[in-house]
Amino acid sequence: DIQMTQSPASLSASLGETVTIECRASEDIYSNLAWYQQKPGNSPQLLIYDANSLADGVPSRFSGSGSGTQYSLKINSLQSEDVASYFCQQYNNYPFTFGSGTKLEIK
Amino acid sequence: EVQLVETGGGLVQPGKSLKLTCATSGFTFSNAWMDWVRQSPEKQLEWVAQIKDKSNNYATYYAESVKGRFTISRDDSKSSVYLQMNSLKEEDTAIYYCTWPVVEWGQGVMVTVSS
Repeated sequence: DIQMTQSPASLSASLGETVTIECRASEDIYSNLAWYQQKPGNSPQLLIYDANSLADGVPSRFSGSGSGTQYSLKINSLQSEDVASYFCQQYNNYPFTFGSGTKLEIK
Repeated sequence: EVQLVETGGGLVQPGKSLKLTCATSGFTFSNAWMDWVRQSPEKQLEWVAQIKDKSNNYATYYAESVKGRFTISRDDSKSSVYLQMNSLKEEDTAIYYCTWPVVEWGQGVMVTVSS
């Protein structure tokens, strides 16, 4: 199975800051990577697919990048509504696997 | 608007069975591959199973942790996907989400396995 190592586990940042969350795959996943946002009590919502494509309706302050085994999610100009947990998922190989999540809080 | 609505969750004893249903609308279900994903009480996400469409012979794939106990199926005439869960274990306790892979998730249904 492909292991997805996500960091950091938690993150505290100020409004307006830029934050970056990273996922490292245990082998090449050829950009078959998605990022999700999950707010408390809700199901995960797609932010980014194919490593760098923005999902419909997602604010442009979210962006994804990376290739091979290293991927990142960047949030520019942090807003209060960005408080959530963020997960990466690889869908290159079965079983599809998720990162352990990053909990983002506002300072 | 795409909708995925899961039903069938609840409290069940270890060793028993439960069947989850996901009713969908708002997209061409017959062409879609469908997944079940679960989230443990510790908030970890685990992909559970996938079923492909008719053109891919309804091929199915499972996580090792559920292989042989869970069965994913679909009814294209009802735009629904199912998860039959047998020989349930306490570690199967989770919120179960039906997903149109990568695109959309349902609201989830709670399954608690406990004596």
